[in-house]
Amino acid sequence: DIQMTQSPSSLSASVGDRVTLTCRASQSISTYLNWYQQKPGEAPRLLIYAASSLHSGVPSRFSGSGSGTDFTLTISSLQPEDFATYYCQQSFRTRYTFGQGTKLEIQ
Amino acid sequence: QVQLVQSGAEVKMPGASVRVSCKASGRAFTDYGVSWVRQAPGQGLEWMGWITTYNGYTNYAQKLQDRLTLTTDASTTTAYMELRSLTSDDTAIYYCARRTPDSNGFYYFFDFWGQGTLVTVSS
Repeated sequence: DIQMTQSPSSLSASVGDRVTLTCRASQSISTYLNWYQQKPGEAPRLLIYAASSLHSGVPSRFSGSGSGTDFTLTISSLQPEDFATYYCQQSFRTRYTFGQGTKLEIQ
Repeated sequence: QVQLVQSGAEVKMPGASVRVSCKASGRAFTDYGVSWVRQAPGQGLEWMGWITTYNGYTNYAQKLQDRLTLTTDASTTTAYMELRSLTSDDTAIYYCARRTPDSNGFYYFFDFWGQGTLVTVSS
């Protein structure tokens, strides 16, 4: 199975900050990479698919980039509602796998 | 509007089996796949498997394939997840999610999720 590794595991930031989260695949996955946001007590929410395509209804402050093994999710100006845990997930192989998550906390 | 509504919380003894349902409403059920993802307390997301709703093709995570069975019933637009030989390690929230292709059919993602079902395994 393809292993997905996210860094950092947690990150403290302030409202208005620009933050970048990283996800690395154990082998090349082209651009078959999705990002999800999860808040406590809620189901995950799709943010980005195909590495850089913004899902419908997701604010434009979210953006994704990367290809091959290295990917990033950037939030251009953090809003209070963005403090959550973020997961990457590969869809290159149909045995899908998630990263372990990055928890974004208020500084 | 697409909705996935899951069955209620379950408490099971070690060694037992559990079956969780996921009823879909909205767009045509057989146009999409259904994936199952679980989350142990305080832990990350773990993909379990997925099933195509039009022909029942399944793909399971290797660590679960001996204990997991996914099925669908198109007549009731419901997907089911059955996990056998439960241990305390299976205590988790179980989610169903719609497996959806992009407009070109190249990329797949999980765009609609059920509300989650807590399964507790305890003696």
